[in-house]
Amino acid sequence: AQSVTQPDIHITVSEGASLELRCNYSYGATPYLFWYVQSPGQGLQLLLKYFSGDTLVQGIKGFEAEFKRSQSSFNLRKPSVHWSDAAEYFCAVGGNSGRRALTFGSGTRLQVQP
Amino acid sequence: GAGVSQSPSNKVTEKGKDVELRCDPISGHTALYWYRQSLGQGLEFLIYFQGNSAPDKSGLPSDRFSAERTGGSVSTLTIQRTQQEDSAVYLCASSLGSTNTEAFFGQGTRLTVV
Repeated sequence: AQSVTQPDIHITVSEGASLELRCNYSYGATPYLFWYVQSPGQGLQLLLKYFSGDTLVQGIKGFEAEFKRSQSSFNLRKPSVHWSDAAEYFCAVGGNSGRRALTFGSGTRLQVQP
Repeated sequence: GAGVSQSPSNKVTEKGKDVELRCDPISGHTALYWYRQSLGQGLEFLIYFQGNSAPDKSGLPSDRFSAERTGGSVSTLTIQRTQQEDSAVYLCASSLGSTNTEAFFGQGTRLTVV
């Protein structure tokens, strides 16, 4: 069975500070990994995805994530957070074996202090 | 349309009544997903349609829940004899293929059972 764990329910950072949101997954084969963002009152938007190749992937809005197979992790990072980054962030795993739908983590709510 | 469209955006229903939620995916997208997001929770997978294949219904929480997809396009999620615990935001997403492609989400239907 595939699963995703986001251990941090809520994170607060100061504007301009760096950010790292944790994501650990469980998957029996090569995973396809995604980060989505959900702003208040908005739908989910894809930030970035990993399928294969370079383990450091770049996304929109200055976000990046690194796939570490040995740690079963896909942490999301941003060097300098902006107030507009305040939102809920979801990590998801999918793939070509087992259940075909994306499995999402429970999300991390990011607050940005001025 | 340009994106995934869901209707209604909000639905208030009395306990015990049946409700139908509609999803219009992006034209040409063969995969369609339904998820449920309860307050402060992650996204719970409900059902997945991919082309003409049998749908993956493994996420439906009870036999009160059912979904169909007509003509490989529009999908309807039906909840019979609604209960208060069914209150949530129901999200629909579509993608070009299986889970190795980006899923585009609608704005959701907020269901409140009173």
